[in-house]
Amino acid sequence: DAGVIQSPRHEVTEMGQEVTLRCKPISGHDYLFWYRQTMMRGLELLIYFNNNVPIDDSGMPEDRFSAKMPNASFSTLKIQPSEPRDSAVYFCASSPGQGAWEQYFGPGTRLTVT
Amino acid sequence: GDSVTQMEGPVTLSEEAFLTINCTYTATGYPSLFWYVQYPGEGLQLLLKATKADDKGSNKGFEATYRKETTSFHLEKGSVQVSDSAVYFCALSRVSTGFQKLVFGTGTRLLVSP
Repeated sequence: DAGVIQSPRHEVTEMGQEVTLRCKPISGHDYLFWYRQTMMRGLELLIYFNNNVPIDDSGMPEDRFSAKMPNASFSTLKIQPSEPRDSAVYFCASSPGQGAWEQYFGPGTRLTVT
Repeated sequence: GDSVTQMEGPVTLSEEAFLTINCTYTATGYPSLFWYVQYPGEGLQLLLKATKADDKGSNKGFEATYRKETTSFHLEKGSVQVSDSAVYFCALSRVSTGFQKLVFGTGTRLLVSP
């Protein structure tokens, strides 16, 4: 079985540019999560979806960040405009739900904003 | 609110030494407990889990027992290998009003030398 797929694996962009990160969850999983990991803040939950509906976006740092899940097999996290402090590794994870609460993580996208 | 506390690292051991990484939690009700491992440059991988008191999760020689009386879920391995060098995260999941999130500890880095 394919795990969670993220693209790109690495992204380098200049400040002010739009960045779009992509995620394909494990088929059949009802929950999708976006996390950000930095040395300073550790692992932070940004937003999560249940059956394609955003449930909790309280972790989204500011309006420059937005996330969508147009269908069960695809989600995007967009940063517009990007800033150097957005540099981090962004992880997508999915979970079956329905009593099985473990999450399965993708390999991450390392974002560098110069 | 719910929280997870892990021992600070790094934990430095020689190959074949015994490993303990302490984890305690604060939560109402009966959370599920997890250990995740993150190897350099990779996403988090589920290592083991326990869903109720006195359950023992085990995988790849690692074990952890859900102790409700001490609110702990310490990770142990009898004989570590160099390949076990990674960051280990303790986490809990509690379903609230039908929604679920993982609460992570800050992670403990393990370094195993030959």
